[in-house]
Amino acid sequence: QLQLQESGPGLVKPSETVSLTCSVSGDSISSSSYYWGWIRQPPGKGLEWIGSIYYSGSTYYNPSLKSRVTISVDTSKNQFSLKLSSVTAADTAVYYCARSIIMTVLSNWGQGTLVTVSS
Amino acid sequence: QSALTQPPTASGSPGQSVTISCTGTSSDVGGYNYVSWYQQHPGKAPKLMIYAVTKRPSGVPDRFSGSKSDNTASLTVSRLLAEDEADYYCSSYAGSNNPVIFGGGTKLTVV
Repeated sequence: QLQLQESGPGLVKPSETVSLTCSVSGDSISSSSYYWGWIRQPPGKGLEWIGSIYYSGSTYYNPSLKSRVTISVDTSKNQFSLKLSSVTAADTAVYYCARSIIMTVLSNWGQGTLVTVSS
Repeated sequence: QSALTQPPTASGSPGQSVTISCTGTSSDVGGYNYVSWYQQHPGKAPKLMIYAVTKRPSGVPDRFSGSKSDNTASLTVSRLLAEDEADYYCSSYAGSNNPVIFGGGTKLTVV
């Protein structure tokens, strides 16, 4: 059964880079024709798609975040990662990782991890 | 692209039906049959309920159905149960420059 688990620092200082990892079990990131993506949700607010990476390595980003976002895959660890640079308080959110067979169909989600940006 | 427009709240009584709308433009909802709907209970991750406008993933009750007319997609929940009380989000493909956009969410209350 597919499981996704986010991990990363719960607290980050403004202007720093936050790095999050999604560990995948029950499927191989490199052998399946899936997209692996990141979505975030500020406290009490709605969902925002951050970006996705295809199993082949192609990346797709939300244009409003593109200049600060990097998504990558580590096939040896069956993980994919998100780096978000120059964070501000507006980046405080629960960050989810998800799998989709079509980019817009997020069929499997991790439980989410809260990232707070504060000095 | 701006977020899709959803009503902030919706409500219904057990056993009734409720429909939630999701309005976009011809560049997203109206231009593609790639509308999805997600259910989110408090403190939980979203769950895919509908994809490709009308399709239900395995395990989703047939009380949930989707449709689309022009630039507006809709989610209908029939025979409401207390457990259907949750936030619902629509999403759509919006072109290669910004593939995935979400609506602002609708809080469904079962009264």
